[in-house]
Amino acid sequence: GAGVSQSPSNKVTEKGKDVELRCDPISGHTALYWYRQSLGQGLEFLIYFQGNSAPDKSGLPSDRFSAERTGGSVSTLTIQRTQQEDSAVYLCASSLRGRAHEQYFGPGTRLTVT
Amino acid sequence: ELKVEQNPLFLSMQEGKNYTIYCNYSTTSDRLYWYRQDPGKSLESLFVLLSNGAVKQEGRLMASLDTKARLSTLHITAAVHDLSATYFCADPGEGGSEKLVFGKGTKLTVNP
Repeated sequence: GAGVSQSPSNKVTEKGKDVELRCDPISGHTALYWYRQSLGQGLEFLIYFQGNSAPDKSGLPSDRFSAERTGGSVSTLTIQRTQQEDSAVYLCASSLRGRAHEQYFGPGTRLTVT
Repeated sequence: ELKVEQNPLFLSMQEGKNYTIYCNYSTTSDRLYWYRQDPGKSLESLFVLLSNGAVKQEGRLMASLDTKARLSTLHITAAVHDLSATYFCADPGEGGSEKLVFGKGTKLTVNP
């Protein structure tokens, strides 16, 4: 079956613009995670969705970052007024409920802010 | 503050040699995960260690977990070029948290 997919694979944007990154989890996976991988910081947790529960947003670095998950499936990570330090690879993962140790990662979106 | 420290961060070794990568974590978690990442690719799950004393082996890689020492090791036996990649350990934290805290990764290069 299909794995986690993300789009776009690459995004170049100008500083100050808003961007939207999309994640399609594996069908049936109720848990969805966003991570950021950057050279200086390694892999950082951003946000976690589980079913219809309120998301855990504790990893979002600023209020310019937000995410939503529609219909318990597709998720969109939005970064407003992008800054150069937002340049990174944004990874999405999904898992079955209670199976965080079996997270399947997508290929990532490489964001470059110029 | 949750911390996961890996060492070394960079490892260059010759084929046929053995080496160990160390992962120290700060929580009282009883589980620890290892991932592999090839250049330009996403993360692939390698090992899931779910209890103190857990040991798992696949091919030339063996991972173990000592929750009392808050230490996991990834041992490489008779390295081959195909093992060249970056290896991450991840701690899910206490209480079965769903959030993974990753180490900075160990970039392994195996030279012929």
